[in-house]
Amino acid sequence: NAGVTQTPKFQVLKTGQSMTLQCAQDMNHNSMYWYRQDPGMGLRLIYYSASEGTTDKGEVPNGYNVSRLNKREFSLRLESAAPSQTSVYFCASSGTSGKGLLYNEQFFGPGTRLTVL
Amino acid sequence: GENVEQHPSTLSVQEGDSAVIKCTYSDSASNYFPWYKQELGKRPQLIIDIRSNVGEKKDQRIAVTLNKTAKHFSLHITETQPEDSAVYFCAATTPLNYNQGGKLIFGQGTELSVKP
Repeated sequence: NAGVTQTPKFQVLKTGQSMTLQCAQDMNHNSMYWYRQDPGMGLRLIYYSASEGTTDKGEVPNGYNVSRLNKREFSLRLESAAPSQTSVYFCASSGTSGKGLLYNEQFFGPGTRLTVL
Repeated sequence: GENVEQHPSTLSVQEGDSAVIKCTYSDSASNYFPWYKQELGKRPQLIIDIRSNVGEKKDQRIAVTLNKTAKHFSLHITETQPEDSAVYFCAATTPLNYNQGGKLIFGQGTELSVKP
C-alpha cells in the first residue's frame, strides 16, 4: 500500500496564478483532510471531508476550495495564489480499520512545498 | 471551537535525561489526544495517543498522561536519545461519527533537541 500520496512535491507560482494540489489514499479511509504548516504555527486545518460527498471548512479556509472527487481522492485548489499562501501543505486521511472499529489516527502524505512569488 | 496550547516551544536536554511537553485544550467534548513526531523535512507520524477514558498510557520510553478535569495532557520521554530530536505536536479531537475520523486541532509544536 502506498498510503497517502500527494502531487506535486514542489511548486512555485506567481501571485494570481491558480493550481490544484492532488491527494489520494489507498487505505479505504472515509475521512480526508488538508493542512498547512508554517514555522511556529503548527499544522492548521484548511478543509476536511468527513465522508465521500461532504466537505467542511477548517480553521483557515479563506483562499482555498476543495473537491472530494471520490472516496480515494481529495484535492485542494488555490484560485488566485497570494504570497501569504506560501507554505507546506499536508494531506491526511483517517477512518475505520475496516473491521468496524473507530480508528482516529490520521496518516499524512509527504507534503507539497508551495512558494508564491 | 477547540483550541490547543502547547509548551514549551523549544526544549533542549542532555542525552539520557527526561523531556516533558505539556498541552492544554479548551473543548471538554474532546476525547482523543494524539502526539505526532515530525523529523526535519518529513511528514508527521503518530507516536502515541490516549483516549479520554484512561489517565495514562505508556509505550517503552514514551508515556502520555491526561487530566480531563484540568483539560491538560503531557508527553513524557525518558532516557532521551539523539534520534528523539524532532518537532513534537499534540492534538485534540472529537470524533465525528462512528466510521469517520475526528477533526484534529494541533498545538503549535515543540522543537526537542537532545544533545549527545
